[in-house]
Parts: sequence; C-alpha cells; structure tokens
Amino acid sequence: EEQLVESGGGLVQAGRSLRLSCTASGFTFADHPMSWFRQAPGRGLEWVGFIRSKAHGGTTEYAASLKGRFTISRDDSKSIGYLQMNSLKTEDTAVYYCTRSHSSGYYYAYWGQGTLVTVSS
Amino acid sequence: DIQMTQSPSTLSASVGDRVTITCRASQSISTWLAWYQQRPGKAPKLLIYKASSLESGGPSRFSGSGSGTEFTLTISSLQPEDFATYYCQQYNFYPVTFGQGTKVEIK
Repeated sequence: EEQLVESGGGLVQAGRSLRLSCTASGFTFADHPMSWFRQAPGRGLEWVGFIRSKAHGGTTEYAASLKGRFTISRDDSKSIGYLQMNSLKTEDTAVYYCTRSHSSGYYYAYWGQGTLVTVSS
Repeated sequence: DIQMTQSPSTLSASVGDRVTITCRASQSISTWLAWYQQRPGKAPKLLIYKASSLESGGPSRFSGSGSGTEFTLTISSLQPEDFATYYCQQYNFYPVTFGQGTKVEIK
C-alpha cells in the first residue's frame, strides 16, 4: 500500500526554523516528484512547492509568496522528502501535507495525514 | 495564477438529495481539473480527475463534467458520509490552484 507519513511539526516561535519530513513507503519514491501543500486553520488548500525526480533534474519550484524562506529536498536512498522552513511567520501556521502526484498529471491521489505547524509570536 | 471559484460556498442538503457544485476557472484549463473531498481533520481525498474520470475505488454516485472554464461535481444521491468539504483543483497551468471549497452540510 502506498503511504506517506509526515513528521516534524510542532510549536515554534516566529523567526525560527523547522524541518518537516515525509517518509514514503509502498512505491519507488525516487521515480516520482513530491509536493507539499498547507492548510491554515479553517482555510483552503495552498500549494507550497515541489521537487522533481532526479530523472527530471531534481529541481524545485515554490509558491512565489514563500520563495526564499522554504526549501524542499529529497533523500531517495531513504525515501524521505523534506521541507525546510526558515524565518517562520505566524501566518505560516497550518497543517502541512506531503503528496505524490499521479504519473499522468499534477493531481494528487496520495496524501500524508498532515502535520501541524504552529508559529507563535 | 489561475483563479478557481466554487459555488456555492456552503450547501445544505438531506440524505438522498442530488447535489451539484460548480467550479469556474479564470481562463480555459481544457479538462485538467480534479475534485477532492475533505472530511474534518483528514487529508483531501481524490474523487475525480481529468474533469470526469472517477478515481479508482470511488463511489459511482460521484460524477464530474465540464471543460474550458466551467465544471461541475454531482453527487447523485447524498449519503451520510458525503457531508464534507469539496475542492476543485486545476492542473493545466503552473502553479496548481484550488477553489476555496464548498461545504456540504446536513439540512
């Protein structure tokens, strides 16, 4: 069974950093891009960014509003993806989800359970 | 970025009702549209992709239609487990974007 499990969320002060992990199982992680989304309390879904597979360059893309503060990386040997979040702001408070897109397009059949990040002032 | 607008924002319905949710894109996205269901405290669940293709294992009471800028998600006979929030998502243009959501409530 294909599974994604996020970890690393918690309470952090504004201005500090946090790294989230996404551990994949049940499929060949290296073959797929990995995306991150977030959802602020009571709000809708927001795309954070993604990392391509190494076969497609392993490059990253980010939401314009987050560029420069957030960094996505991957360790294919461990089947783990990462979201490094720096200079956190209170408005970054959200549940963060990692996802795997379908092979035929950027829609998402596989989601982790989410991890809550709370940024306090 | 492509703007996705859903209507209504909230919908009150009863078990057995036929329910339709509309999603409009700010420019044509062909049929590159997905629909998700999200229950409270859970991750989104893919229901429909490419506007009208039912995700494997998805209940047949869910159907999608549309192309270009206007799309609909229909639930033919609402079941108790269908009370949730529904999101559309376009994947024709980068970055992918979502509608604001439609909450289906018990009438």
